[in-house]
Amino acid sequence: NAGVTQTPKFQVLKTGQSMTLQCAQDMNHNSMYWYRQDPGMGLRLIYYSASEGTTDKGEVPNGYNVSRLNKREFSLRLESAAPSQTSVYFCASSSRSGGLETQYFGPGTRLLVL
Amino acid sequence: QKEVEQDPGPLSVPEGAIVSLNCTYSNSAFQYFMWYRQYSRKGPELLMYTYSSGNKEDGRFTAQVDKSSKYISLFIRDSQPSDSATYLCAMSEIIGFQKLVFGTGTRLLVSP
Repeated sequence: NAGVTQTPKFQVLKTGQSMTLQCAQDMNHNSMYWYRQDPGMGLRLIYYSASEGTTDKGEVPNGYNVSRLNKREFSLRLESAAPSQTSVYFCASSSRSGGLETQYFGPGTRLLVL
Repeated sequence: QKEVEQDPGPLSVPEGAIVSLNCTYSNSAFQYFMWYRQYSRKGPELLMYTYSSGNKEDGRFTAQVDKSSKYISLFIRDSQPSDSATYLCAMSEIIGFQKLVFGTGTRLLVSP
């Protein structure tokens, strides 16, 4: 099992460029999440998907779009990157089984917007 | 004032020490409390998930919740250099992970 994988690991963009961050999980989890992590701010939820075919906004959705392509894959798109979107982006997935909640994170994508 | 407050550290301890990591919060509606461990340049890893007040133990880790004081703690017994990481607390009013509010993390350094 690879768990949660993210691509790319690192990206540099110029202001106004677009890009898509890819995420995939092989644990058959229903729920998937995109977070950003900034110094002094903690992790903040951008979007989440409770199940295939559904997506919902989190705390900081402005400037982002998501697609839950299938049960395995959840992508995050920046249509017109801004320096304020410089951050580390984490994808996660979760499951609930027998009263036990589990959540797994990917290794992250470091994004620098110039 | 942030909803969840966590001292950023670093907290430096010798190997074998008992470590106490803490968070305070202001929202009395929080019922679910989590601790994550994050190694440098890695994704967070869920360590403990607790509901309401009380203690939960898992190996060398004990999570404690005091809702009356709006204070949660993570204790690490017999700390090891491999415990050196940033520890994030998180909490939610509802079950699941879609409404989590995270602390900013405490960096722990365990020296051999």
